[in-house]
Amino acid sequence: TQLLEQSPQFLSIQEGENLTVYCNSSSVFSSLQWYRQEPGEGPVLLVTVVTGGEVKKLKRLTFQFGDARKDSSLHITAAQPGDTGLYLCSNDYKLSFGAGTTVTVRA
Amino acid sequence: NAGVTQTPKFQVLKTGQSMTLQCAQDMNHEYMSWYRQDPGMGLRLIHYSVGAGITDQGEVPNGYNVSRSTTEDFPLRLLSAAPSQTSVYFCASSYSKSVGYGYTFGSGTRLTVV
Repeated sequence: TQLLEQSPQFLSIQEGENLTVYCNSSSVFSSLQWYRQEPGEGPVLLVTVVTGGEVKKLKRLTFQFGDARKDSSLHITAAQPGDTGLYLCSNDYKLSFGAGTTVTVRA
Repeated sequence: NAGVTQTPKFQVLKTGQSMTLQCAQDMNHEYMSWYRQDPGMGLRLIHYSVGAGITDQGEVPNGYNVSRSTTEDFPLRLLSAAPSQTSVYFCASSYSKSVGYGYTFGSGTRLTVV
């Protein structure tokens, strides 16, 4: 059973456009991590959010943890082809991952 | 470079064969884990270890064994390979299993069982 639901499953946009992907659960978790995975490689940690309502920025990426700590979003501004990859969310409860959102940014 | 090293990168097995997937880290991390990744199913936890001599089962442990004799190494053994074990396997390590540390992943082993 997936404890984390990610949406959308696939997202294809043109370079320069903005995008948002979501990670939701029915349970409250103590922290949530976002990873990016490129083809043929392992996931790479982008950020950890811990506090409800927390917002973290990593260059053009903005991560938000919901006030109730049951959901999170990742927003990419002015997407570039280098942002292409599988975006995964994870939490410490049963060490689980969502199924991921595959993002393709077309040049 | 420091990190998590997995070997081999690719492997083809016949049904019923056994093999060991190797994982080593040089970051002195206490926590290590094995995941399998299948299309549409994300990463599923197979086994994990919180320190040398201590292991526990994850979500999908059947058909796999692990041991942790040193902090650095955490091998995954397939006892009798089955086609259902065709997958990409990732090893990960972390400073701690506790909140918020995140994991460092290896580059994976792509296993095909025929």
